Amino acid sequence: GAVVSQHPSRVICKSGTSVKIECRSLDFQATTMFWYRQFPKQSLMLMATSNEGSKATYEQGVEKDKFLINHASLTLSTLTVTSAHPEDSSFYICSARDGGKGWTEAFFGQGTRLTVV
Amino acid sequence: AQTVTQSQPEMSVQEAETVTLSCTYDTSESDYYLFWYKQPPSRQMILVIRQEAYKQQNATENRFSVNFQKAAKSFSLKISDSQLGDAAMYFCAYKVTGGGNKLTFGTGTQLKVEL
Repeated sequence: GAVVSQHPSRVICKSGTSVKIECRSLDFQATTMFWYRQFPKQSLMLMATSNEGSKATYEQGVEKDKFLINHASLTLSTLTVTSAHPEDSSFYICSARDGGKGWTEAFFGQGTRLTVV
Repeated sequence: AQTVTQSQPEMSVQEAETVTLSCTYDTSESDYYLFWYKQPPSRQMILVIRQEAYKQQNATENRFSVNFQKAAKSFSLKISDSQLGDAAMYFCAYKVTGGGNKLTFGTGTQLKVEL
C-alpha cells in the first residue's frame, strides 16, 4: 500500500512554544490530507481537512489560530501547534488519500506524540 | 450527523478461536463506505477491511470477514483463527460516498488474544 510518513514521531516542547508536525505522502500525490487527534485509549477525532493550495477546513471546536495547517504541495502538509500548553499534549495522526485510486482508501502516518511540559 | 458506536470496550479471544466485534452506525445516507481499522501498540492505523453499502455481499479478507446488515445499520467484524498478532485496538469507521475522505470513527474495541 501507499506510504505516509509523519515526522517527528515524538516531540517534547515547553509551554508557550510552537511545534511543527510534518505529513508526507511518499509515493503518491495527495490533494487532501486529514489531521486527527487521539487522546489515550480514545478514538480519533478529526481536527481539520487540509487541501493543497487552499485553506484548511476545520472541524467545529478546533481553534484555527492555534492549529495552523499548511498544505503547500501535493506531498506535504504541516500542522503547527502554536503557543502550546499542557492540554495540547496528545497523539496527532495524519492521513492522506491517493487521488489516483478508484476508491477512497486513506493511508495513515505513524502518528506524533506531543508532550508539552 | 453520522455516528459510529462500538459497544464493546474490550474483548478477549483464545488463540486459534473466533471472535466477533460489534459496530452500529447511524446515517441518513444511502451510499457510503464502512471500514474496520486496526491500531496495534505501534499506533499505526492499518486498514483491515472495507464494505461498500451498495454491495449486499459481505466483504472478506483472509481471516477477516464482516456481517453487514444495512437495514439494521450493523457492521460486525469476525476474526477467525485468531493470532497473537491480532491483538490491537479495532476501530469501526464510516465515510459517506463523495464526501472526500472524512472518516467518522467509533470509540474502539481493545482485542486481547490469549494463549
